[in-house]
Parts: sequence; structure tokens; C-alpha cells
Amino acid sequence: KQEVTQIPAALSVPEGENLVLNCSFTDSAIYNLQWFRQDPGKGLTSLLLIQSSQREQTSGRLNASLDKSSGRSTLYIAASQPGDSATYLCAATNSGYSTLTFGKGTMLLVSP
Amino acid sequence: GAVVSQHPSRVICKSGTSVKIECRSLDFQATTMFWYRQFPKQSLMLMATSNEGSKATYEQGVEKDKFLINHASLTLSTLTVTSAHPEDSSFYICSARRGMLSSYNEQFFGPGTRLTVL
Repeated sequence: KQEVTQIPAALSVPEGENLVLNCSFTDSAIYNLQWFRQDPGKGLTSLLLIQSSQREQTSGRLNASLDKSSGRSTLYIAASQPGDSATYLCAATNSGYSTLTFGKGTMLLVSP
Repeated sequence: GAVVSQHPSRVICKSGTSVKIECRSLDFQATTMFWYRQFPKQSLMLMATSNEGSKATYEQGVEKDKFLINHASLTLSTLTVTSAHPEDSSFYICSARRGMLSSYNEQFFGPGTRLTVL
């Protein structure tokens, strides 16, 4: 059974810092891995999806990497802004038919 | 594209009443929809998977008679919380996927519904 862990649970940084959020998974036979953002009381916004055959994906200031052999994914946020404050969730799926397994998230606070 | 809506966004009801939550895929056909529940400061817990035209598959521990799911069309799934009690108060989120097997298995999430049972 796939298990997803996110470290740290919470992170506070000053504006402008580059930061890395970590996600680890127990079953390396993943189909893909997604990173989401959730604002308080809101639904999930998909940020990046990495297929199992890919090593990384980039969107603007965000870069997500995937290392299946070590069971890890990282989300890199460059030049953080207060608007980046949110909870970031990673989720893995093990096949095209399977459901998402979520981590508990990292709550990010970027202070001005 | 790939927008999912939920209605209502917030509902407050008395204990014992039933509440229906709608999930719609606005610009694509969703053969498969998922319902999640999220408690404060917790991650999403999958409740059930529904495929259009067939019965929903519930996760272990989720009462199917308590949480009725209907996926009657390719753009609409409903979750009915029957005889709601205060412990059912939670944030309910749906997601939708194009086809039973999409090339990316990417899910698109709705904005969530906050249910408060008094």
C-alpha cells in the first residue's frame, strides 16, 4: 500500500527566499505524482504533474522533481512571495486506474 | 479548461436532515468522479469512487447508506449525506477525471463544500 509523507509539516520563510518542499513515497512503482496547492477553506489547485518517465516539470517559479529510485519528489519555489502562502500537498498514483494517495501537506507561510 | 464546480459552497443544517452536494465538470466529460473528506489540518481522505452509470465504490469504513453517491451523467455527481449528525461536519471535496483511464490520470478538484451540522 502506497504511503506518502511530507516534510516539514510547516515552514515559515521571509519573502524572496528560495525553498524546497519534500515528499516521499514508499512504493516506487508510481504512475505519476502531482503537487497541489490548497488555500484555507478552498479546494485544490493542481500545480505540477510528473509522469513516472519524467525527472522534472517546471511552471513559472515552480519546479518539481521526481526520483523514483529513492522514493522522493521535491517542489522548489523560487523567489517566494506572500501570495505563495498556502498548504502544499503531494499525491501519488500507482496506475492509470488507481486513486491518489495524499501526503498530509506542508503549510507554507511567506512573510513580507 | 478542466473546471470542476461544487454546490453549495457552504451549508448549515440541523441534525437528522439530509444534505445533497453537487459536483459538476463544466468543460469536459468525467467518466470517473471522486469524493473526499477533509478534517481541519488533515489531508484528504478518499470516501468513494464513482463511475458514470454504475454504483460507487466506497473506501473501507465509509458507510454507503450514510453517504449516497449518484453519478447519473458524464458531468454530474451528487453526494447525499443522509440523517446528518454533528460528526459529519467536515469539508467535502470532489474531483473529476477524464475517462476511466486518462493518459495522465490527472484529477481536477472542485472548490469544496463546508458542511456544518448543528
